[in-house]
Amino acid sequence: AQKVTQAQTEISVVEKEDVTLDCVYETRDTTYYLFWYKQPPSGELVFLIRRNSFDEQNEISGRYSWNFQKSTSSFNFTITASQVVDSAVYFCALSEGIGANNLFFGTGTRLTVIP
Amino acid sequence: EPEVTQTPSHQVTQMGQEVILRCVPISNHLYFYWYRQILGQKVEFLVSFYNNEISEKSEIFDDQFSVERPDGSNFTLKIRSTKLEDSAMYFCASPPAMISTDTQYFGPGTRLTVL
Repeated sequence: AQKVTQAQTEISVVEKEDVTLDCVYETRDTTYYLFWYKQPPSGELVFLIRRNSFDEQNEISGRYSWNFQKSTSSFNFTITASQVVDSAVYFCALSEGIGANNLFFGTGTRLTVIP
Repeated sequence: EPEVTQTPSHQVTQMGQEVILRCVPISNHLYFYWYRQILGQKVEFLVSFYNNEISEKSEIFDDQFSVERPDGSNFTLKIRSTKLEDSAMYFCASPPAMISTDTQYFGPGTRLTVL
């Protein structure tokens, strides 16, 4: 059975600090996709990144970076030099196999960046 | 980011009433999804729809729920007899490519309040 665990319920950091959001997943499939979504206070779900199970390269996009490690079944998200606008709930999600695949979401991490 | 639109943004209804939530997915797409997020909780999969048929549904998607694509464009979620516990944010999602494992972009959501 698939499962996504985000152990950090809430994190508070002071502006300009770096912060890492943890995501651990479980799946029996060898082909799967991992995602991060941001949910700001306005409520929409904003896509941040998708990673497939065959690509373990880390990715950097501006202040955002992602560390995918199959050995530990983790897909962690780091925000460098955090800003107040980064305050949101961040969800990690998993999609399995090939075909019409729904997303399994973690419980989310609420990040508060204090000015 | 490809646009998925949803109407209405907020729906208030009395318990036992029927509601129809509407979604206009990214054009020419075949895969559509509905998700639900109870306030303060994680996003949960309800149903996926492919080629005018339900392809997968969760335990939440019981007989009071139905989906259809009545005019080939809009994608609707109907709740026949609403309950208090149906109060949630409902999100429509669609991948922007013909491949279902591509990224699911979410609409802004419809907040359903059942009184």
